[in-house]
Amino acid sequence: DARVTQTPRHKVTEMGQEVTMRCQPILGHNTVFWYRQTMMQGLELLAYFRNRAPLDDSGMPKDRFSAEMPDATLATLKIQPSEPRDSAVYFCASGSRGQGAWYTEAFFGQGTRLTVV
Amino acid sequence: AQSVAQPEDQVNVAEGNPLTVKCTYSVSGNPYLFWYVQYPNRGLQFLLKYITGDNLVKGSYGFEAEFNKSQTSFHLKKPSALVSDSALYFCAVRGGSSNTGKLIFGQGTTLQVKP
Repeated sequence: DARVTQTPRHKVTEMGQEVTMRCQPILGHNTVFWYRQTMMQGLELLAYFRNRAPLDDSGMPKDRFSAEMPDATLATLKIQPSEPRDSAVYFCASGSRGQGAWYTEAFFGQGTRLTVV
Repeated sequence: AQSVAQPEDQVNVAEGNPLTVKCTYSVSGNPYLFWYVQYPNRGLQFLLKYITGDNLVKGSYGFEAEFNKSQTSFHLKKPSALVSDSALYFCAVRGGSSNTGKLIFGQGTTLQVKP
């Protein structure tokens, strides 16, 4: 059963520490999204990769956040240094280009619940 | 720029009644539209999509959605609601003239189905 895998599921860290969240997209998918979900802001798109290249990271605070895809099976989102306002659920999703259509649905992981104290 | 609006924060319906969750979109070029559902402490699950073709699309769990190009809407519907349908529903759009395929979500609508 193909699915997007995110680790860790939960993370509690102290302010100022580095946080790394990992995502394994579904095998064969060529697009990866990172989203942040909070009660106030809803689902915000942080970064978007296609074929491992970043296409859009305009939603990501550049001073402390970074997103990479070192290979096709791993996407990472790092926060350094972390702040309490970064507390949220971070979702990774992957998708592919469908036959005859540019864009198909994206499949979501279970998320990483980050708490920065 | 593409955007999605879900005008209702919450929709309340009685079990057995029809339900509608509203969504309007803004995108240049052809829209690719999606509905997702999120249960507490879970990721988003895909329900249905409109890519091309019939304006009425059917999805999982008895849900359907109607694409209306002139009204730029993609409302989610179900003929008979179940208590187990209570969840958070998101509308999303991909597309745009730049064709980057960015997937943008609305703010979400909480559906409450009462017995």
